[in-house]
Amino acid sequence: AQSVTQPDIHITVSEGASLELRCNYSYGATPYLFWYVQSPGQGLQLLLKYFSGDTLVQGIKGFEAEFKRSQSSFNLRKPSVHWSDAAEYFCAVGARISGGYNKLIFGAGTRLAVHP
Amino acid sequence: EAGVTQFPSHSVIEKGQTVTLRCDPISGHDNLYWYRRVMGKEIKFLLHFVKESKQDESGMPNNRFLAERTGGTYSTLKVQPAELEDSGVYFCASGAGARSDTQYFGPGTRLTVL
Repeated sequence: AQSVTQPDIHITVSEGASLELRCNYSYGATPYLFWYVQSPGQGLQLLLKYFSGDTLVQGIKGFEAEFKRSQSSFNLRKPSVHWSDAAEYFCAVGARISGGYNKLIFGAGTRLAVHP
Repeated sequence: EAGVTQFPSHSVIEKGQTVTLRCDPISGHDNLYWYRRVMGKEIKFLLHFVKESKQDESGMPNNRFLAERTGGTYSTLKVQPAELEDSGVYFCASGAGARSDTQYFGPGTRLTVL
């Protein structure tokens, strides 16, 4: 079955520290992979996506993610976290539905807290 | 360019009442999706429109939920009658049309059924 696992429900880091959020997926074909962020009171904002090509993907706000097929992972990283990065982060895989379109299957989310 | 908008942002209703949620996609986006996040669980797919046609409604939980997209523009999601377990955040997303396209999400409607 198609699924996404985000093992860490909550993570707390200090401002300026590096960050890695884990994401593992289960999908039979070549996956389309996404990271979204939801800040308090806001909707879901796309951080980055992987469809094909270079396995290291750059996104907005200084985030990057690396697709590792052998590990079925798509971890999100940032070298130096800012207080404004405190939010909930969602990893998602695009799963094929009727007509060749894709629905998103989401992980449970990782809530990030940033200490000053 | 305006993003995806949803109305209302919050709705509190009694069990058994009816609620209608509205989504306005990004202009020109043929694809419109509804998702739901219940009680802090995963965000789950409900259904997908291509223009005014329902392409896939495999995620709709039961026949108390009715989605429409008249004219291929905005969409409504009606819950009738609402039950306690329908409480959650309902997200709408739209996409430009390619099968691998990105989905752009609205801010969501938080529904509370008392």
